Amino acid sequence: QVQLVESGGGVVQPGRSLRLSCVASGFTFSDYGMHWVRQAPGKGLEWVAGISYDGINKYFADSVKGRFTISKDNSKNTLFLQMNSLKVEDTAVYYCAGPPTGGGYWGQGTLVTVSS
Amino acid sequence: QPVLTQPPSSSASPGESARLTCTLPSDINVRNYNIYWYQQKPGSPPRYLLYYNSDSDKGQGSGVPSRFSGSKDASANTGILLISGLQSEDEGDYYCMIWPNNPWLFGGGTKLTVL
Repeated sequence: QVQLVESGGGVVQPGRSLRLSCVASGFTFSDYGMHWVRQAPGKGLEWVAGISYDGINKYFADSVKGRFTISKDNSKNTLFLQMNSLKVEDTAVYYCAGPPTGGGYWGQGTLVTVSS
Repeated sequence: QPVLTQPPSSSASPGESARLTCTLPSDINVRNYNIYWYQQKPGSPPRYLLYYNSDSDKGQGSGVPSRFSGSKDASANTGILLISGLQSEDEGDYYCMIWPNNPWLFGGGTKLTVL
């Protein structure tokens, strides 16, 4: 069955960096674009970034543009989110998500807390 | 602020139907987009339910019961999720989404209470 497993979350001070990973299984990872979506505590869903199936085209929300980068290693079935210059308002559960056209699968999420 | 507008809450009794709406801004025509719907329960990730574009272009997520269905009201520029035969397990947050090029645009979510 399809599985998306995120890791890399934790507590970090403002201005620092963190790298999230998402390991995929149960489907042909290289066929699909992938996305990161976050959810601040008690809030709704916010799309963060997306990447094309081949890792070439990348898209970012204005709130993270210039600070976050997304990448995809199809040989390792892994999606990454490099988060730099973190802000308190980046505190959220970060989900790795596949496109709804590919079954709409989401991981369980990893919590990122940015606090001094 | 979310681009798509959803009522913050809705309620209905078991066995009744719930109609959840998702209104697009005036510069985005609902006719041109698939409307995707997700359900989220506390402590769990969102679950993909379905998409609706037209009666001839729609799709159900894996394992999603047929009592979940979508529609559009073009005159109100709105996507609709209809849940018939409500069950207590349908309680949760429901999010709509559209996918114009590559940002995913979400609504703010509707908390559905099954009384």
